[in-house]
Amino acid sequence: DTAVSQTPKYLVTQMGNDKSIKCEQNLGHDTMYWYKQDSKKFLKIMFSYNNKELIINETVPNRFSPKSPDKAHLNLHINSLELGDSAVYFCASSQVTGFPLHFGNGTRLTVT
Amino acid sequence: AQTVTQSQPEMSVQEAETVTLSCTYDTSENNYYLFWYKQPPSRQMILVIRQEAYKQQNATENRFSVNFQKAAKSFSLKISDSQLGDTAMYFCAFMKHDIEGAQKLVFGQGTRLTINP
Repeated sequence: DTAVSQTPKYLVTQMGNDKSIKCEQNLGHDTMYWYKQDSKKFLKIMFSYNNKELIINETVPNRFSPKSPDKAHLNLHINSLELGDSAVYFCASSQVTGFPLHFGNGTRLTVT
Repeated sequence: AQTVTQSQPEMSVQEAETVTLSCTYDTSENNYYLFWYKQPPSRQMILVIRQEAYKQQNATENRFSVNFQKAAKSFSLKISDSQLGDTAMYFCAFMKHDIEGAQKLVFGQGTRLTINP
C-alpha cells in the first residue's frame, strides 16, 4: 500500500518542452506539497495545498503550475522546461501541524 | 525566516560504532518541531525521529536518539550500534507550529553518512 505515489519516477526531456508530474496520497491528509531537491541534495519547498487551496507558493517561476483536483491529488505542470529545472521533485503530504511529512519516492527530471 | 545548518557534509564510521550528526537552527519561534529524515541511495525520504520543542525529554527511536538543547538551538542525532543499512544522507528539518494550514519543513544541507564494514 503506497502512501504517497508519484509518476513518473524518471523523466527525460528536451529544453522547451512541457511536462507533468502526478502525485496521489491515500493517507487522508489535507495538505500536500511539492519540494525540489537540487544537484547538491538541498531540499526546498515549492508549493503547498491545503484542501485544494494554495497555501504556500515560494518564489517559483510562473512556468511551474500546481493543480489540485481534490485533496488526494496534487500535480505539477512545468512549461518551457529549462536546463536548470533538472532536479528531483518530491511530493509529500501531512496531517495536522507538527506531524511529519510523508514523502513520495521522487521524480528525477533531466532536461537536455 | 528559519534556517537549519548541518556543519558536517560527510561522516564515516565503522559498523557497530556510535556516531553523532550535528544540527543547529535559527528561529524566533517558541513552539516548533524538529525532525531527522534519512535518504538512502534509493532516494526515498524516511522519517527517523521527531522532537516537539515544548518537550524537554529527548526523543528516542530504537538505536536513534537526539540531544535537543533548546537554548542553544541545537538538535543532534546519535546513532548507536551503527549498521550498514544506516548509510544514507541525513537531513535535519525544522517546522514551526502553525494551525492555519500548511506545515513548511525547512531542511538543512544534509550529512552524508557512510557505515563501513
